[in-house]
Amino acid sequence: QSALTQPASVSGSPGQSITISCTGTSSDVGSYNLVSWYQQHPGKAPKLMIYEDTKRPSGVSNRFSGSKSGNTASLTISGLQAEDEADYHCCSYAGGKTFMVFGGGTKLTVL
Amino acid sequence: QVLLVQSGAEVKKPGASVKVSCKASGYTFTSYHLHWVRQAPGQGLEWMGVIHTSDGSTYNAQKFQGRVTMTRDTSTRTVYMEVSSLRSEDTAVYYCAREGPSEDGRGYYFDYWGQGTLITVSS
Repeated sequence: QSALTQPASVSGSPGQSITISCTGTSSDVGSYNLVSWYQQHPGKAPKLMIYEDTKRPSGVSNRFSGSKSGNTASLTISGLQAEDEADYHCCSYAGGKTFMVFGGGTKLTVL
Repeated sequence: QVLLVQSGAEVKKPGASVKVSCKASGYTFTSYHLHWVRQAPGQGLEWMGVIHTSDGSTYNAQKFQGRVTMTRDTSTRTVYMEVSSLRSEDTAVYYCAREGPSEDGRGYYFDYWGQGTLITVSS
């Protein structure tokens, strides 16, 4: 069982927007502005898409955005494209003995 | 460009140990911490630990304390992770990942990843 909770799967049609949630606790997601999101295509290493809740690294499309409310962080992908089909993982700093925690991952299907 | 190149896949028997390497290039090695993350087949990502390349200090997830050892060699810009007393549940792809920079100090995110190393534990 992962420390952060994500839906197992989400889907959307090309051009639509989807949102993936990542629910933690007041000890991790809710305590720090340190949620990151990773995209992972099959057989590939994860790729950073969002860090520090809302920041987008250079080179990542502005169709990807991050937000947070309380203990739940969200990744929104607008204007869905076929190449967005992948697994998405959230991660949060948790401090103390736990240090870093991941969600279980969400499989995005572009219909 | 930043590159993290890991050692190749290995098959080990239960009870054995395995040592995975991660060679960094394209940046100042001692300026960034390196983490280890693993992914069991069909599962999510799991954080294992971090090594401070500047002084070699380490911090492991509680689950791995006593079984995982991380070291680094600054002369070759390489970090190593050794897992001992392997069991079938340790079958996974193991990734090294660089901790990204932050204006506020520690980044606590992973901006570059190695290609992954598949470790299979089977009798």
